[in-house]
Amino acid sequence: AQSVTQLDSQVPVFEEAPVELRCNYSSSVSVYLFWYVQYPNQGLQLLLKYLSGSTLVKGINGFEAEFNKSQTSFHLRKPSVHISDTAEYFCAASRDDKIIFGKGTRLHILP
Amino acid sequence: KAGVTQTPRYLIKTRGQQVTLSCSPISGHRSVSWYQQTPGQGLQFLFEYFSETQRNKGNFPGRFSGRQFSNSRSEMNVSTLELGDSALYLCASSPGPEGGYGYTFGSGTRLTVV
Repeated sequence: AQSVTQLDSQVPVFEEAPVELRCNYSSSVSVYLFWYVQYPNQGLQLLLKYLSGSTLVKGINGFEAEFNKSQTSFHLRKPSVHISDTAEYFCAASRDDKIIFGKGTRLHILP
Repeated sequence: KAGVTQTPRYLIKTRGQQVTLSCSPISGHRSVSWYQQTPGQGLQFLFEYFSETQRNKGNFPGRFSGRQFSNSRSEMNVSTLELGDSALYLCASSPGPEGGYGYTFGSGTRLTVV
């Protein structure tokens, strides 16, 4: 069965420091991969997605993610975070018209 | 282009009552999915509708039901509410069944059962 694992439930990082949020998926076949962000009291917003092609995907708000097929990972990165990046981030995988979400990672930006 | 609209934003109900939540997808989107989000369980899939037909259903009791209208608007209903039904209910729309489109989510309906 397909699953998505976000290895960290919370990640604290200082403002202007780089951050990486980790995501691993389990699937023996090709999947589409997504990262979503949820700000407090809001729904989820699509940050970026990987369908095929270049393994480095750029998204909104300066985020990017790299698809690594051999490690079945799709980690999200940002070179310099801002206080406004405080949110919960969800990794998701889609196959056969079904989408599975990870449990989420809370990003805490420290002043 | 209007986003996904969920109404109401907040709701307080008593145990045993029933509730109906509404979702209007982005114009032209024909697929609507519903999720329940709680701190303990995270995002849990309820059901997905496409062209008025339920395509997928999650592992929720029969008290949870939904439907989709010809204009793609969707409603979900929860009967005989329990305290554990307190959650943020999120609606997501996409042009068609998920195949790489990605979802556009509404802001959710916060349901509190007392």
